[in-house]
Amino acid sequence: AQSVTQLDSHVSVSEGTPVLLRCNYSSSYSPSLFWYVQHPNKGLQLLLKYTSAATLVKGINGFEAEFKKSETSFHLTKPSAHMSDAAEYFCVVSDYSGGYNKLIFGAGTRLAVHP
Amino acid sequence: DAGVIQSPRHEVTEMGQEVTLRCKPISGHNSLFWYRQTMMRGLELLIYFNNNVPIDDSGMPEDRFSAKMPNASFSTLKIQPSEPRDSAVYFCASSPGPLRQPQHFGDGTRLSIL
Repeated sequence: AQSVTQLDSHVSVSEGTPVLLRCNYSSSYSPSLFWYVQHPNKGLQLLLKYTSAATLVKGINGFEAEFKKSETSFHLTKPSAHMSDAAEYFCVVSDYSGGYNKLIFGAGTRLAVHP
Repeated sequence: DAGVIQSPRHEVTEMGQEVTLRCKPISGHNSLFWYRQTMMRGLELLIYFNNNVPIDDSGMPEDRFSAKMPNASFSTLKIQPSEPRDSAVYFCASSPGPLRQPQHFGDGTRLSIL
């Protein structure tokens, strides 16, 4: 079965410092992995996706993630945090066992950015 | 381009009342998904439609919940009768096809049942 585990429920950083949000996955086949962001009272916005092409994936707003098969990880990073990055972030894996792209969500990591 | 549109954005109603949530997917997307988000359970898929046909409703919690998609541009999620434990944020998402990515989400409906 497909699953993801987000290792931190809350992360707090200072503006201008690096961001690291950790995600491990479990998959019985080559996975499709995503990071989504949810700002308060908004829907989920796709940050980036991995679909078995390049292992280093660049997304919007300066975020990137690296797929590491040996570590079953897909951590999200950004070199320098901005106040507007404060939001909840979801690591997501696709489950195709039902014949369609069923998204399996992690529990989420709430990112706080301090001045 | 217009994204996924949900209405209402907020709904407050009393226990026992019927609640209807509405969704307009992105034009040309033939896959539609309803999700529920709660603190306890996170994001859960309730039901998936492809070409207006319900394909997977295994996530629908109980018979009080029903969903329809009468045409390619409109879907409803109905709760009757509503209960306080149904309070949650309900999201609709659409994608170009069943195996196509990504899913595009609406801004959600925040439902409070008193």
